[in-house]
Amino acid sequence: QKEVEQDPGPLSVPEGAIVSLNCTYSNSAFQYFMWYRQYSRKGPELLMYTYSSGNKEDGRFTAQVDKSSKYISLFIRDSQPSDSATYLCAITKAAGNKLTFGGGTRVLVKP
Amino acid sequence: GAVVSQHPSWVICKSGTSVKIECRSLDFQATTMFWYRQFPKQSLMLMATSNEGSKATYEQGVEKDKFLINHASLTLSTLTVTSAHPEDSSFYICSARVSSDGGASYEQYFGPGTRLTVT
Repeated sequence: QKEVEQDPGPLSVPEGAIVSLNCTYSNSAFQYFMWYRQYSRKGPELLMYTYSSGNKEDGRFTAQVDKSSKYISLFIRDSQPSDSATYLCAITKAAGNKLTFGGGTRVLVKP
Repeated sequence: GAVVSQHPSWVICKSGTSVKIECRSLDFQATTMFWYRQFPKQSLMLMATSNEGSKATYEQGVEKDKFLINHASLTLSTLTVTSAHPEDSSFYICSARVSSDGGASYEQYFGPGTRLTVT
């Protein structure tokens, strides 16, 4: 079993819809959670990071963490074609430790 | 802020030659940098963790004599692929962890990647 599971997609949505992404992890030792966006042939870009369970909002992005269920989510409101990319969740056990990445979900926002 | 650059962005080399890839943190100091490899439509695979002034820590299955890592300063780490072969063709990405006073930071910022093609 992989440490982090993420549906590869592709996830296709119409422009303006809410994009819902999620990852599950197996080890309760993971404490820090991040979401990255990666465009084709580019490096990942940090979108959100959080430590505690609950919600964190930044503009159109909302990250949710449920440590009891070992489940993390990213929501993108009012999606735009420019949001079309691969979204990667990343988790780590302690600050400064190496990241463990999910496989990435490819998102297509159709105009 | 938190910009990481890589050079070159794309390189083609012949089998048997060596290639050096540079990773720089432009506006912050990074005591730790990470090197990843990514194959098409796959996620990032951590190759090694590079700490400034010390030897890199390699992940299981990564040949340290083939992938030489040097982290000589707080803003520069290099990855040298020695005796490259076609199977080494991949997208190599570095990341740098922001150093913060009073403790470690978990924010990592990635470079734009280097596409290596070995013919």
